[in-house]
Amino acid sequence: SQKIEQNSEALNIQEGKTATLTCNYTNYSPAYLQWYRQDPGRGPVFLLLIRENEKEKRKERLKVTFDTTLKQSLFHITASQPADSATYLCALGGGFKTIFGAGTRLFVKA
Amino acid sequence: ETGVTQTPRHLVMGMTNKKSLKCEQHLGHNAMYWYKQSAKKPLELMFVYSLEERVENNSVPSRFSPECPNSSHLFLHLHTLQPEDSALYLCASSQDVLADPYEQYFGPGTRLTVT
Repeated sequence: SQKIEQNSEALNIQEGKTATLTCNYTNYSPAYLQWYRQDPGRGPVFLLLIRENEKEKRKERLKVTFDTTLKQSLFHITASQPADSATYLCALGGGFKTIFGAGTRLFVKA
Repeated sequence: ETGVTQTPRHLVMGMTNKKSLKCEQHLGHNAMYWYKQSAKKPLELMFVYSLEERVENNSVPSRFSPECPNSSHLFLHLHTLQPEDSALYLCASSQDVLADPYEQYFGPGTRLTVT
């Protein structure tokens, strides 16, 4: 069956550093991969979508890579800020075929 | 504010009660979704509607009953729930069920506690 793995342990980093979150998947070849941010008790918020023919995508301080050979996506936040503290969800596919990972909790310390 | 609203935000109900969750989207989208999110687990897709027609029903127990009267409104009717149904219930919408743009817009969720 399709499986998405995100680091279940929280990631703690210092303000100003680059945070890197990993999403690995198996038994699936998605044409799209999405990243969402979720704050406690709130719904996820869409951040970025990257297509299988795109190696990298950027939006402000965010950068996403998509390696279909390794079946892995990396999500980077540069110059991280305490306000970036949240859970980040990786999602494969799109529309009603979207499959979500459990997310990685990020803490950015001032 | 994502353009998707949900009410109530919190709900406590007994196992014999009947209640309904409401979702409204103001984005002009054609697709609407119900998800269940339990602690430290991935979102579980429950139901999908496209222009008021149910597209997907992922083996959800019959104690959960969806209703989509129009493309802007979605309800989830609850009856005789179990304690393990306690979770965050999220409503989402997207432009279409399987067409670009693929991203979904989520409401704030209803925190449901079954006692």
